[in-house]
Amino acid sequence: AQSVTQLGSHVSVSEGALVLLRCNYSSSVPPYLFWYVQYPNQGLQLLLKYTSAATLVKGINGFEAEFKKSETSFHLTKPSAHMSDAAEYFCAVSPGSGNTGKLIFGQGTTLQVKP
Amino acid sequence: DAGVIQSPRHEVTEMGQEVTLRCKPISGHNSLFWYRQTMMRGLELLIYFNNNVPIDDSGMPEDRFSAKMPNASFSTLKIQPSEPRDSAVYFCASRTARWGDLETQYFGPGTRLLVL
Repeated sequence: AQSVTQLGSHVSVSEGALVLLRCNYSSSVPPYLFWYVQYPNQGLQLLLKYTSAATLVKGINGFEAEFKKSETSFHLTKPSAHMSDAAEYFCAVSPGSGNTGKLIFGQGTTLQVKP
Repeated sequence: DAGVIQSPRHEVTEMGQEVTLRCKPISGHNSLFWYRQTMMRGLELLIYFNNNVPIDDSGMPEDRFSAKMPNASFSTLKIQPSEPRDSAVYFCASRTARWGDLETQYFGPGTRLLVL
């Protein structure tokens, strides 16, 4: 069985500060991991994904995430927050082998960026 | 590419009425997913199709919910009869079978359903 835990349902940072959104996963098989972003009243947009290649993954809008197998983590970071980063962020996992395409999502983390 | 298209974007209906949500996946994608998003339960997978065939409908909450995919470019999610607890945002997503991107699901803008 697979699951995802996002630590912190709300994260608030100042503009220009480091963004760190935490995600831990549980998977009985090597996982694929994803971060999606959802802006108000919109669908989910892929930020980045890990599919067993490089453990440090770079995505859009300056975000990156590092897969750490020993910690079962896939935390999302951005060196300097921008006001436009305010949104809800979802971490998701799917089985890497024999990928059925099913995604299991975390509960989401709302990022607030203060001026 | 137009992306995943969903209609209607908003739906308000009364309890007991039939509701039909529509989705057009990205052209060439062969997998389609229906999700429901609520504050209480987050994002839940309801059902998904591969090559128009339902593969896993274990997330469909009850018999009032049904989904069809008559062809590669169209899917419906029907709720009959609707209940207030069905109020949620329903997302459709599609996925390609093309190597190099087959892990990624592309989401539509969602249908916001309110059942009074």
